[in-house]
Amino acid sequence: SQQGEEDPQALSIQEGENATMNCSYKTSINNLQWYRQNSGRGLVHLILIRSNEREKHSGRLRVTLDTSKKSSSLLITASRAADTASYFCATGAPNTGNQFYFGTGTSLTVIP
Amino acid sequence: EPEVTQTPSHQVTQMGQEVILRCVPISNHLYFYWYRQILGQKVEFLVSFYNNEISEKSEIFDDQFSVERPDGSNFTLKIRSTKLEDSAMYFCASSFTGTGLDGYTFGSGTRLTVV
Repeated sequence: SQQGEEDPQALSIQEGENATMNCSYKTSINNLQWYRQNSGRGLVHLILIRSNEREKHSGRLRVTLDTSKKSSSLLITASRAADTASYFCATGAPNTGNQFYFGTGTSLTVIP
Repeated sequence: EPEVTQTPSHQVTQMGQEVILRCVPISNHLYFYWYRQILGQKVEFLVSFYNNEISEKSEIFDDQFSVERPDGSNFTLKIRSTKLEDSAMYFCASSFTGTGLDGYTFGSGTRLTVV
């Protein structure tokens, strides 16, 4: 299966701390995306990193990609209560057209 | 910021009934998708649509499912005869390219409950 797997499944931190979530996948990819989902709501695209990129930043988000280890990490710095949500990685692979494979997500709780 | 709009936000239907879930993708996007998420499970790909035809579909997307772009703005998912196991959150998404390199824009979903 191509699907990414996030780790940990759940993470609880204090406001102001950094949160790190990891994603591992099984086959080669074209790109990897991170999405956020607030409870019962839609998926919000956070950041996309291509297979030839190693690191990408967007505001308080930092994503790394290690294709040799088939893994990615999402770092949220200086977390806020509003960051409480589930975070998913989704991988796009060669020869699979334009569909993406989602992991089961990391549930992040930021305690005020 | 442009949005993908889905209606209704919640649909309750009797088993065996037909449902149509509606989506308005971003206006200049060319590729359209449906995904679903059964409660507590992964988001799963159903189908992608480009140039007025299905470009890919998953095993989930059987003969009970169909998609249509009836006009220049709407993109619909029809389930002909709903089953209990069709209960899920259904997400519509769109993208400008089909390469995946620009990410998707997802709608906020339609929660389908089959009773």
